Amino acid sequence: VQLLQSRVEVKEPGESLKISCEAFGYKFSDYWIGWVRQMPGKGLEWMGIIYPGDSDTRYSPSFQGRVTISADRSINTAFLVWGSVEASDSAIYYCARQPTGATVGAPFDYWGRGTLLTVSS
Amino acid sequence: QSVLTQPPSVSAAPGQKVTISCSGISSNIGYNYVSWYQQLPGTAPKLLIYENNKRPSGIPDRFSGSKSGTSATLGITGLQTGDEADYYCGTWDSSLNGGQGVFGGGTKLTVL
Repeated sequence: VQLLQSRVEVKEPGESLKISCEAFGYKFSDYWIGWVRQMPGKGLEWMGIIYPGDSDTRYSPSFQGRVTISADRSINTAFLVWGSVEASDSAIYYCARQPTGATVGAPFDYWGRGTLLTVSS
Repeated sequence: QSVLTQPPSVSAAPGQKVTISCSGISSNIGYNYVSWYQQLPGTAPKLLIYENNKRPSGIPDRFSGSKSGTSATLGITGLQTGDEADYYCGTWDSSLNGGQGVFGGGTKLTVL
């Protein structure tokens, strides 16, 4: 199992952004994919999850409306999308796989290496 | 402010044992499984414990987990310098907007 993420993204405030998480080594549609933010020197923040099998998506209220989580089963890839980034979005974004049972506390069992987003003018 | 409460830091000498607590409420830890993650400096988190007390393949039995009521605990025995890392608990919270995942604020382990 591998989750492949782009390593670095540099954007200016107001730009749109789509970061990706390509899955290898398992049936993409059978597991949830989650996104986790880690701001510099801070802890992990749960952003949301998507089940590629039926596109069921759940968001943290803290991120609802700010980002969109999507998935494309044809290319085994999940996405995290911003319409307009801000400096406060600068952070590392991890994708992680979650077995079914997400809503009873199934773990994130495999993680990507993270995408470092820097937003600066 | 994290939904789950962890001590900011713990420390112990090599070879000793340490425990890290994770406190929640009935809608999260009380009703759902707890997982624990280890994050070594500059790396992605790694799953240590799932379903309260189970270890994934490859995780040594020096690491253990338990849950009682609305609290969970991670135990590490035979501490090694390589165990210095940040440790996070995580679970699902059934009460927040139809439910969402939650993490603790993290605990920095120092092996003196």
